[in-house]
Amino acid sequence: EVQLVESGGGLVQPGGSLRLSCAASGFSFSTYSMNWVRQAPGKGLEWVSYISSSSSTIYYADSVKGRFTISRDNAKNSLYLQVNSLRAEDTAVYYCASGGWISWGQGTLVTVSS
Amino acid sequence: EIVLTQSPATLSVSPGERATLSCRASQSVSSYLAWYQQKRGQAPRLLIDDASNRATGIPARFSGSGSGTDFTLTISSLEPEDFAVYYCQQRSNWPLTFGGGTKVEVK
Repeated sequence: EVQLVESGGGLVQPGGSLRLSCAASGFSFSTYSMNWVRQAPGKGLEWVSYISSSSSTIYYADSVKGRFTISRDNAKNSLYLQVNSLRAEDTAVYYCASGGWISWGQGTLVTVSS
Repeated sequence: EIVLTQSPATLSVSPGERATLSCRASQSVSSYLAWYQQKRGQAPRLLIDDASNRATGIPARFSGSGSGTDFTLTISSLEPEDFAVYYCQQRSNWPLTFGGGTKVEVK
């Protein structure tokens, strides 16, 4: 069974940092590109970042460029999102999704507030 | 950035009726458009890929059509479990973008 499990969210002050993780199982993680998508409370979906299977290609939404860094460790079947310089508008549930977009995690909530 | 506009924002439909949802792109996305269903408190679920291909396990009552800038998701006969929010997504250009969503509610 394919599983994606996010972790690392929490309450952080404006300007703070977090490292989000996504643990993958049940599929050949190293052969799939991956994405992060977020959803602010009561709002729609926003794509955040993409990483190819070999990490050779990376893209970011303009809203997070320069502040967020996506990475992966294929040996550990894990995807990461380092989120720095957090703002109130970054408050959201962050989902990881497989490159085929069929598999999604349950999400991890990041709350940016003083 | 390609903007996706979904309409209507809310669709009130009775169970058993047909629902037609629209997604319009600000420029052509060819057929690189997907549809998702999201229920409260859950992650999105992929319904339709490449404008008209049902994802694995998706019932035949869901169908997608369109190309270029105008797309439609049709639910032929609404089941109780279909009342949810639906999003379109374009994968033609970076950054990837989602539409604002259509909420399908019970009439």
